[in-house]
Amino acid sequence: GQQVMQIPQYQHVQEGEDFTTYCNSSTTLSNIQWYKQRPGGHPVFLIQLVKSGEVKKQKRLTFQFGEAKKNSSLHITATQTTDVGTYFCAENTGNQFYFGTGTSLTVIP
Amino acid sequence: DVKVTQSSRYLVKRTGEKVFLECVQDMDHENMFWYRQDPGLGLRLIYFSYDVKMKEKGDIPEGYSVSREKKERFSLILESASTNQTSMYLCASSTSTEGAFFGQGTRLTVV
Repeated sequence: GQQVMQIPQYQHVQEGEDFTTYCNSSTTLSNIQWYKQRPGGHPVFLIQLVKSGEVKKQKRLTFQFGEAKKNSSLHITATQTTDVGTYFCAENTGNQFYFGTGTSLTVIP
Repeated sequence: DVKVTQSSRYLVKRTGEKVFLECVQDMDHENMFWYRQDPGLGLRLIYFSYDVKMKEKGDIPEGYSVSREKKERFSLILESASTNQTSMYLCASSTSTEGAFFGQGTRLTVV
């Protein structure tokens, strides 16, 4: 199946530090979605990007879609303990989702 | 709010049992999915359905079957449960253009 690679797999940060996770694809993506899964919870849809070079913000979270639509990033400014969880990217191809492997974020108080 | 409801939060079954996991969504979504999630392996697609009575195999369909008799309901069936099917099972639904909405998950243990 389609591969969406996500790095890093794990990230530990001190509270207040920034955090970034990256998604990369060898093929052009029609869109990119981001999800957050809290420990013990289920993935929750955060946002979708569709246009080349698109940037969207949600409070301390900044989402970018690359110019070539082959990569995307999620950046969190000044992490808080509530940011703990696993962040997944995904492409919605119409009737199927291709999920990245996820980045597990630990925030050390 | 979209609601995707899975019938059980925790389930313990014996090896060889037939197991039914039920999922219901209330937003009239065309697409429904079953994933399993294991540590270090991410979300793996078992089956999906884009319409009533339609089903498509995902990446790991072996040992599983599905049923979608009504638009709002998508069932996952383990024909003969085995210990390697111990996992977290997540149901999701979506339209063709928006994000996926997940149920709370069923943690299945096969003993």
